[in-house]
Amino acid sequence: DIQMTQSPSSLSASVGDRVTITCRASQGITIELSWYQQKPGKAPKRLIYAASNLQSGVPSRFSGSGSGTDFTLTISTLQPEDFATYYCLQYARYPRTFGQGTRVDIK
Amino acid sequence: EVQLVESGGGLVQPGGSLRLSCAASGFTFSRYSMNWVRQAPGKGLEWVSYIYSGLTTMLYADSVKGRFTISRDNAKSTLSLQMDSLRAEDTAVYYCARVSSPYGDIDYWGPGTLVTVSS
Repeated sequence: DIQMTQSPSSLSASVGDRVTITCRASQGITIELSWYQQKPGKAPKRLIYAASNLQSGVPSRFSGSGSGTDFTLTISTLQPEDFATYYCLQYARYPRTFGQGTRVDIK
Repeated sequence: EVQLVESGGGLVQPGGSLRLSCAASGFTFSRYSMNWVRQAPGKGLEWVSYIYSGLTTMLYADSVKGRFTISRDNAKSTLSLQMDSLRAEDTAVYYCARVSSPYGDIDYWGPGTLVTVSS
């Protein structure tokens, strides 16, 4: 199975901050990685697919990069509605595997 | 608008069974593969099972293999998950999730249904 190591597990930030979350795959997955945002009591919402493609309707302050084993989700200017938990997902192989999640809360 | 709505969750005793359903609408269900993903209380996301659009392939996480069975009825646009020999560690919110075409990740999720396994 492909292991996804996501970091940090949590972070505190202020509105307007630039936030970076990383995911590392235990083996190469080309660009077969997505990012999701989840708010309490809600289903995850896709933000980024194929490592760097922005989901329709998602604000452009979200961006993704990387290929192979190392990937990054960046929020350029954190907004109040961005406080949530973020997950990466590799879809190169089954079983699909998620990162452990990164909780972004208010400093 | 794509909609996925799960049902069938509830409280069940260890060793018991439960059948989850997911009603799909807003897209041609028969053309999409589907997943079940779960999330234990306060924990992360765990992929559970996959079924190909044409029903020829079903896959399971090791944690549920031999106990859970995924199925679908393309005529009724319905996805199901039969869960047998339930354990306390199966307690989670279960999400029905569509496999994105052509990418293969998950593009849409249902709101989830809570399964609690407890005596």
